[in-house]
Amino acid sequence: RKEVEQDPGPFNVPEGATVAFNCTYSNSASQSFFWYRQDCRKEPKLLMSVYSSGNEDGRFTAQLNRASQYISLLIRDSKLSDSATYLCAVKRGAAGNKLTFGGGTRVLVKP
Amino acid sequence: EAGVTQFPSHSVIEKGQTVTLRCDPISGHDNLYWYRRVMGKEIKFLLHFVKESKQDESGMPNNRFLAERTGGTYSTLKVQPAELEDSGVYFCASRDSGGTLQETQYFGPGTRLLVL
Repeated sequence: RKEVEQDPGPFNVPEGATVAFNCTYSNSASQSFFWYRQDCRKEPKLLMSVYSSGNEDGRFTAQLNRASQYISLLIRDSKLSDSATYLCAVKRGAAGNKLTFGGGTRVLVKP
Repeated sequence: EAGVTQFPSHSVIEKGQTVTLRCDPISGHDNLYWYRRVMGKEIKFLLHFVKESKQDESGMPNNRFLAERTGGTYSTLKVQPAELEDSGVYFCASRDSGGTLQETQYFGPGTRLLVL
C-alpha cells in the first residue's frame, strides 16, 4: 500500500462549480500536511498547508481528519485557471524531514 | 527574489553515459532536497542536505547516484553510469531554517532526463 494515495481523476468540473477530493495517508506519525499545485511540465507550487482546525484561502478550503487519516481540498467557484494536478504531501516528525507525495489528482475545469 | 534554479532543463543521454544535474537553491536556504518523478509514478524523495552535510539520503536508489553540496550553496547530482530506468524529472527544492513558518519547500523547475 502506498503511504499517500490520491484519486488520479480527472475530475471534470464545470466552470463555477465546486469540486472536492481527498488524500489518504497510512502513516499515523505524519504531522504536517500540504497541498501543492502542479501545472503541466512545471514544478509543484505550494497551494496551502493544512492545519488541524482546517483552513481557508479564498476559494480553497483544506481539512484534516486525523482519525480517518485523510486530508481534503475543496475548490469553490472553479475557474478555468484552476485546471491542474493537485498533489498531496505529508511530512513526518521534525520540520526538516522529507515530503512524501501522492500521485496527484487531475482537475479539468471546463467552460 | 530568485527562486530555485536547475540546470540543464533537459538532458538526453545514452545508457552508460554520465550526467550531472545542478541545483541552485534560494539564497540563504540551508536545506536542499532532491526529488525524482519517473513516468507514471509519484514524486519521490532522494536526499536532503543541511548546508553541506547530508542529513538524509535514504531515498537514493543505488550507488550510481552521487550528490554533493560543497560549500553549502549549490548542489550537484551525478548519475554514473546512467541506466534506462533513471529517466524522469529530477526536482530540487530548498527551505529556510527555523520554525514551522519556514517549513515550506520551494521547488525548482526540474531537469527532464531521458536515458536512451
